[in-house]
Amino acid sequence: EPEVTQTPSHQVTQMGQEVILRCVPISNHLYFYWYRQILGQKVEFLVSFYNNEISEKSEIFDDQFSVERPDGSNFTLKIRSTKLEDSAMYFCASNLGQGGITEAFFGQGTRLTVV
Amino acid sequence: AQSVTQPDIHITVSEGASLELRCNYSYGATPYLFWYVQSPGQGLQLLLKYFSGDTLVQGIKGFEAEFKRSQSSFNLRKPSVHWSDAAEYFCAVAPNQAGTALIFGKGTTLSVSS
Repeated sequence: EPEVTQTPSHQVTQMGQEVILRCVPISNHLYFYWYRQILGQKVEFLVSFYNNEISEKSEIFDDQFSVERPDGSNFTLKIRSTKLEDSAMYFCASNLGQGGITEAFFGQGTRLTVV
Repeated sequence: AQSVTQPDIHITVSEGASLELRCNYSYGATPYLFWYVQSPGQGLQLLLKYFSGDTLVQGIKGFEAEFKRSQSSFNLRKPSVHWSDAAEYFCAVAPNQAGTALIFGKGTTLSVSS
């Protein structure tokens, strides 16, 4: 069964450093998303990406964040200068987005720890 | 603004007992509705979804949910809980447009006692 894959599963970084979280969405899906889940809190939407541009973003997704689809398969989330409060589980998801109503499929997540 | 409320933070049920997890949403029209489950250290797995039609939807692992428009609710049920059902359960909604982002509730932690 096709699945969304994320790497790495766990990343530790020092405050102020840049991190790139990587995702490989399901191959024929058109919509891609990043969500985050701070420990013990709910899953929060960050950004969605469609047709090679951001289609929707939340207030959390400020100038420190950027997304990119550098090739035909990867979808990345970059945090330019990490802060302690960026420590969270980051989930990538993808959605077929056509041919009827479809749901988002989530990856296993990347746990980011900022120290 | 759209929102999702899961009023129960933590629920404990005995193995074999029935389960109902509550979810209420706030949205102007009928949204798309979902239940996801998250086991410890794992990603989010879709249990079931409602887009339209029959208001009682069946999902995986023996779960079902009923959409009640009058109550703006989408409660999750299972007639007999198994120890492996212990996990975090999230209700989510999305506006009824393809590809729109999900809005999650805060989740309900389910513990199963033997």
